[in-house]
Amino acid sequence: DTGVSQDPRHKITKRGQNVTFRCDPISEHNRLYWYRQTLGQGPEFLTYFQNEAQLEKSRLLSDRFSAERPKGSFSTLEIQRTEQGDSAMYLCASSAIGTGNHEQYFGPGTRLTVT
Amino acid sequence: GESVGLHLPTLSVQEGDNSIINCAYSNSASDYFIWYKQESGKGPQFIIDIRSNMDKRQGQRVTVLLNKTVKHLSLQIAATQPGDSAVYFCAENPAGYSSNTGKLIFGQGTTLQVKP
Repeated sequence: DTGVSQDPRHKITKRGQNVTFRCDPISEHNRLYWYRQTLGQGPEFLTYFQNEAQLEKSRLLSDRFSAERPKGSFSTLEIQRTEQGDSAMYLCASSAIGTGNHEQYFGPGTRLTVT
Repeated sequence: GESVGLHLPTLSVQEGDNSIINCAYSNSASDYFIWYKQESGKGPQFIIDIRSNMDKRQGQRVTVLLNKTVKHLSLQIAATQPGDSAVYFCAENPAGYSSNTGKLIFGQGTTLQVKP
């Protein structure tokens, strides 16, 4: 396993369309996080899962956003009816809770551009 | 409230010099802090972390200092190299190291430019 992977790396969509991103965490990691990063800013927390359970959602995560991790492995983040303000880098991270190591390993991100 | 911030948006240093990147936080209850490095087009990469029961922690060419009295932490990079050029973020776990939540709060970042 070479780390966290995300697909696609880039997505251009028209306003109003739905998009879905995928994240594959490091295989033995039971925690998976989604963050959003806009240009010049630090990542902002969106939500996280422990195994298949979604344990916390940020107020940034409007009802147009939904995240799933159905089998406790990969996760998807869907944005419905995209808006230009959704343009950002969407980052996924994973960690192994319970090992004493709190390090979150980040993927390369999916850059979304809404036109 | 929860906020983590960096003092300077850009730091320019000469190759071989030491670099110091600063960060201030506002939540006095925070007990766990992390420094990340982000290169262009990549996700953040873990550099070093520190818990509040420590004032200093050293890694390979990096040192993190924590001053809880003034809620300030810094990242020192020794003998800065061109490969150190990146954006550096401090991050905080607002619920604390022993909490069940892994949510991180990031600062805005400092861009480190290394001149050859």
